[in-house]
Amino acid sequence: SQTIHQWPATLVQPVGSPLSLECTVEGTSNPNLYWYRQAAGRGLQLLFYSVGIGQISSEVPQNLSASRPQDRQFILSSKKLLLSDSGFYLCAWSVLVGGAFFGQGTRLTVV
Amino acid sequence: KQEVTQIPAALSVPEGENLVLNCSFTDSAIYNLQWFRQDPGKGLTSLLLIQSSQREQTSGRLNASLDKSSGRSTLYIAASQPGDSATYLCAVNTDKLIFGTGTRLQVFP
Repeated sequence: SQTIHQWPATLVQPVGSPLSLECTVEGTSNPNLYWYRQAAGRGLQLLFYSVGIGQISSEVPQNLSASRPQDRQFILSSKKLLLSDSGFYLCAWSVLVGGAFFGQGTRLTVV
Repeated sequence: KQEVTQIPAALSVPEGENLVLNCSFTDSAIYNLQWFRQDPGKGLTSLLLIQSSQREQTSGRLNASLDKSSGRSTLYIAASQPGDSATYLCAVNTDKLIFGTGTRLQVFP
């Protein structure tokens, strides 16, 4: 069966520090991969999506970047965090006819 | 650009009521539509997936319909329970997955 792992579950980082969140998928090949951010009490904002290794589409200009070094690995990064980067980050995978599945999320607090 | 809207934004009902949550989207060229549930501070749980060629899907007390030509989907929740309290999100899948803003549901005893 397919599973998705996202870590860490919570993270507190100082302003200006780097960020690396990792997401891995098991049990499927060539999935679409997504990073979303959810601010408190708000909807899900699509940050990045990837349809294959090394193929990254950015949805909004921001302080973050994403990479897909392997088929089932998706990484969200920042060189210098801002206070506005705080939020709940969710990784997801999908195949076109199989729907989408989410990780448990990372709650990031930038202080 | 695909836009997904959900109505109502919030709903508070007594236990036992039958509920209707609405989702509309602007571009009908979708592969499928999916309904999710999100509990506070948690990730998303998939409830129902409707392919573009389908009209409805059912799971227990949940029934979702899809009218792709009019850009609408409806989630019916029968005999609501306090455990149904959560935020319900619909998402349309094209080359990317776009979410609506959600309906926050509270079912009180």
